[in-house]
Amino acid sequence: GQNIDQPTEMTATEGAIVQINCTYQTSGFNGLFWYQQHAGEAPTFLSYNVLDGLEEKGRFSSFLSRSKGYSYLLLKELQMKDSASYLCAALRPTGGSYIPTFGRGTSLIVHP
Amino acid sequence: DVKVTQSSRYLVKRTGEKVFLECVQDMDHENMFWYRQDPGLGLRLIYFSYDVKMKEKGDIPEGYSVSREKKERFSLILESASTNQTSMYLCASSLSTSTSTDTQYFGPGTRLTVL
Repeated sequence: GQNIDQPTEMTATEGAIVQINCTYQTSGFNGLFWYQQHAGEAPTFLSYNVLDGLEEKGRFSSFLSRSKGYSYLLLKELQMKDSASYLCAALRPTGGSYIPTFGRGTSLIVHP
Repeated sequence: DVKVTQSSRYLVKRTGEKVFLECVQDMDHENMFWYRQDPGLGLRLIYFSYDVKMKEKGDIPEGYSVSREKKERFSLILESASTNQTSMYLCASSLSTSTSTDTQYFGPGTRLTVL
């Protein structure tokens, strides 16, 4: 079966650092995506990890440990506009394709 | 820029009606997906298609069907709408899933209400 877990909601202060965790259990694994979704809008791509380690992209970084079935998204120097839902998605093989299984999303609230 | 468009942002239908949700992408992507998104449940895959006239069931296909007659267009069909199909429907496309590295690009979503 497929199971993706992430916290439902987090709050943080502007300028701070926040880490959003994601654990996954999938039958087969081919990488993990993070998406950002602002209220009323479509999800947009943030990062993709397939190898263990940290990928840094500006204020956002994403980490993966395949052996632990664990990933996190790290947001630095938080801004008010970072208030959004963050979706973790594990990519799994099915037939000749790979499809993502999404977690339920973490709603991040950044306050002044 | 990749553009994924959906035919309606908001739609209200009655129980038992046949409903068509249309999705078009303009980047020649092979793969297209239909999800529904509900509070507390996240994004759940209904159907996907990796080629014209090809379709695969996702995690929650019951009550839905799809059609992909052209590469750029992927339609979601509710044969007989029910109130439990009230949801936000999101379409997505990706270049190819064969390499497993391809990002999905999402449309703006259609908020469907079934009365």
